[in-house]
Amino acid sequence: SQQGEEDPQALSIQEGENATMNCSYKTSINNLQWYRQNSGRGLVHLILIRSNEREKHSGRLRVTLDTSKKSSSLLITASRAADTASYFCATPLAYSGAGSYQLTFGKGTKLSVIP
Amino acid sequence: NAGVTQTPKFQVLKTGQSMTLQCAQDMNHEYMSWYRQDPGMGLRLIHYSVGAGITDQGEVPNGYNVSRSTTEDFPLRLLSAAPSQTSVYFCASSPLLTGSSNTIYFGEGSWLTVV
Repeated sequence: SQQGEEDPQALSIQEGENATMNCSYKTSINNLQWYRQNSGRGLVHLILIRSNEREKHSGRLRVTLDTSKKSSSLLITASRAADTASYFCATPLAYSGAGSYQLTFGKGTKLSVIP
Repeated sequence: NAGVTQTPKFQVLKTGQSMTLQCAQDMNHEYMSWYRQDPGMGLRLIHYSVGAGITDQGEVPNGYNVSRSTTEDFPLRLLSAAPSQTSVYFCASSPLLTGSSNTIYFGEGSWLTVV
């Protein structure tokens, strides 16, 4: 019952460049979240965007949401070697009820930032 | 404030053995869940709980049991380990918020190998 799918699966960029990752999902949502996972570690929440928001910023992160296309993008500007990690989008299993607080995750985008 | 604590970090089991992965959180979160992460599969929900005494199945519950006797603890039991259960297991917790804006907090993971 995977909702979100990230694209690309892997991305390799030079330090200082911008990194863009995309997420597509299948059903109506009331929010979408992005998480980061460093190798061998747990996932860490980065940012949440609600369905009535089109864009949100947090530091060097910019997230957009297009509910008409059922897609979201995560932009990391001026990337650093420390940004090397896997990035996952997550959406609620359902719009309301019990499924609304269960998150489903995509398979992730593996980002490598080369110094 | 330790967040979500999982033990053990690493475990090797023989086929047919049973074991319990421990998970504890100190944030007074109502919602707790277990995911497994396999290469190329992303994270898949095993079981979840919305409070003490309440548990339910996720996407891949077979071969696993859970219980929730306290708000803090949510152990995952493997009844008779199989090689297909070789995976990385993550425990996660979040508050139950209306409007479905739950940020999930993850433990650091438990690496399980079944031989």
